[in-house]
Amino acid sequence: ETGVTQSPTHLIKTRGQQVTLRCSSQSGHNTVSWYQQALGQGPQFIFQYYREEENGRGNFPPRFSGLQFPNYSSELNVNALELDDSALYLCASSLRTSGSTEQFFGPGTRLTVL
Amino acid sequence: GENVEQHPSTLSVQEGDSAVIKCTYSDSASNYFPWYKQELGKRPQLIIDIRSNVGEKKDQRIAVTLNKTAKHFSLHITETQPEDSAVYFCAASLFSGSARQLTFGSGTQLTVLP
Repeated sequence: ETGVTQSPTHLIKTRGQQVTLRCSSQSGHNTVSWYQQALGQGPQFIFQYYREEENGRGNFPPRFSGLQFPNYSSELNVNALELDDSALYLCASSLRTSGSTEQFFGPGTRLTVL
Repeated sequence: GENVEQHPSTLSVQEGDSAVIKCTYSDSASNYFPWYKQELGKRPQLIIDIRSNVGEKKDQRIAVTLNKTAKHFSLHITETQPEDSAVYFCAASLFSGSARQLTFGSGTQLTVLP
């Protein structure tokens, strides 16, 4: 096990609602990235947080937002849910050092928007 | 931004044969290329990675080659086993000390037939 955990495992929401997904990074990791994985596709980068600040963002609208806390846990918030937001949401933690490269993924949260 | 294309989308091989999955990337500044294995319903797991200062890397039955000039890299699995069956994703990333955004390919469903 990599030590990255996510909650909840599954979630069902309706269009227009808001959702908060949670991620607990692997011990000692100071960076968290969030990805959206639609069915049958590769993960797509949403954003990354380092030391509680957003540090890079993919091609996602502002209704996707996040937080990173002092203990390096993280949240992904999505407002005004759309049907296309249905996907597996993955967080990945890493340790930012000059030689560090690997991102460790959590098990994901499966979001279904009806 | 970076764009990663992956081929083939599906690959079936007989147990004991070799499997090759190919990816191309668009951003010549990308310098880190990981490969992830994702079993059904599970998190992506890093199986091997390569940096742009290396042309080839091997780990037991798995090897990755990188051609920076042509901007493509490949995963080679030898002596395939049924437990190698999974979806494999390539990714490309620029590590510059700022956000390390992984751009994934669309995945290859590998099936190893007994």
